[in-house]
Amino acid sequence: QKEVEQNSGPLSVPEGAIASLNCTYSDRVSQSFFWYRQYSGKSPELIMSIYSNGDKEDGRFTAQLNKASQYVSLLIRDSQPSDSATYLCAVIGSGGYNKLIFGAGTRLAVHP
Amino acid sequence: EAQVTQNPRYLITVTGKKLTVTCSQNMNHEYMSWYRQDPGLGLRQIYYSMNVEVTDKGDVPEGYKVSRKEKRNFPLILESPSPNQTSLYFCASSSDRGASEQYFGPGTRLTVT
Repeated sequence: QKEVEQNSGPLSVPEGAIASLNCTYSDRVSQSFFWYRQYSGKSPELIMSIYSNGDKEDGRFTAQLNKASQYVSLLIRDSQPSDSATYLCAVIGSGGYNKLIFGAGTRLAVHP
Repeated sequence: EAQVTQNPRYLITVTGKKLTVTCSQNMNHEYMSWYRQDPGLGLRQIYYSMNVEVTDKGDVPEGYKVSRKEKRNFPLILESPSPNQTSLYFCASSSDRGASEQYFGPGTRLTVT
């Protein structure tokens, strides 16, 4: 079992819809969770971090964390074609604060 | 402008020829790290550094070396590159404790023939 799992996609949504990206992790003691966006040929860019159970909203983005279910998600409201990218889930687990474990990413395609 | 820079951006080399990929950040960050990204495997940590002269192995350190003699620089050294080290490499830094909220460099695409 991979430490951080994501559906590779592509997840295809129409412009204006809500895109829902999901991530599960295996390490129960994980405390810090991150979503990075990576455009094709570019480097990852941090878009959200979440540390406690519940929802965290930032503009069109909402991160949701459920530690009991070992599940973290990212919702993108009013999806735009410019949101088309690969979204990487990353977790700091029992390996310590020096190690960030990434999922393989979910490719999102927003079509007009 | 706050940034992480890497050089070279593209490199094609032959098996066994030593190479160095440089990484520099201008944000006075203590934490720096190297990752490689391969299709289907995601980003995997090679080495990290908590501060000057403090480095440690990540998940895939075999075949790589690093050094941290200055706070701003964290070069990645491949003493004897092999074809399985063909990959996209990213350097990252963070001002927060450890690996949280990292800024990534533009990447170095390495091909070893």
